[in-house]
Amino acid sequence: DTGVSQNPRHKITKRGQNVTFRCDPISEHNRLYWYRQTLGQGPEFLTYFQNEAQLEKSRLLSDRFSAERPKGSFSTLEIQRTEQGDSAMYLCASSLAGRDYSYEQYFGPGTRLTVT
Amino acid sequence: AQTVTQSQPEMSVQEAETVTLSCTYDTSESDYYLFWYKQPPSRQMILVIRQEAYKQQNATENRFSVNFQKAAKSFSLKISDSQLGDAAMYFCAYRSEFGNEKLTFGTGTRLTIIP
Repeated sequence: DTGVSQNPRHKITKRGQNVTFRCDPISEHNRLYWYRQTLGQGPEFLTYFQNEAQLEKSRLLSDRFSAERPKGSFSTLEIQRTEQGDSAMYLCASSLAGRDYSYEQYFGPGTRLTVT
Repeated sequence: AQTVTQSQPEMSVQEAETVTLSCTYDTSESDYYLFWYKQPPSRQMILVIRQEAYKQQNATENRFSVNFQKAAKSFSLKISDSQLGDAAMYFCAYRSEFGNEKLTFGTGTRLTIIP
């Protein structure tokens, strides 16, 4: 396992369509984070999982967004009825939480979403 | 809520020279972590250096070092002997000691290396 992977790397969709992104974390990592990065900005926290449990969601995550992490492995982020304002880079990160671990977050390459 | 401010949208430095990137943050917490992340063009974000707030000694990683001023809530990154591969966006980030350990990022500084 060489790191966090995300698919697809790029997605172009029309306004109103649904899209789903996938993140595969580093295999032994129990925490998984989603961030959104718009042009000229730093990443902003969206949500995170401890194993399969979604423990916190940002107010940025509207009702059109849903994330899952079945069986505590890969995660999916779905956006329903996409809007042009959803255009951004969606970043996934994972970490190993527990005593004696640094909680360092390792980032994937991101999925760039363009809504036309 | 914590905030992170990077007031230098762009910086440039001659190859082999030293450059310092600035970062300030606001928090009411006493225990936290600070990070510098590097995001090369079209590549994923990687951790450059981290600092625990309870440590007085500034962190160093090879050519990278920080100047952590807790009272002033300042956390600058110094890159010595700049190399072409250092060209990237640099983000300062804050993380609480407790809770979900989410990262709060600044807006970034684009660093250009002049050959």
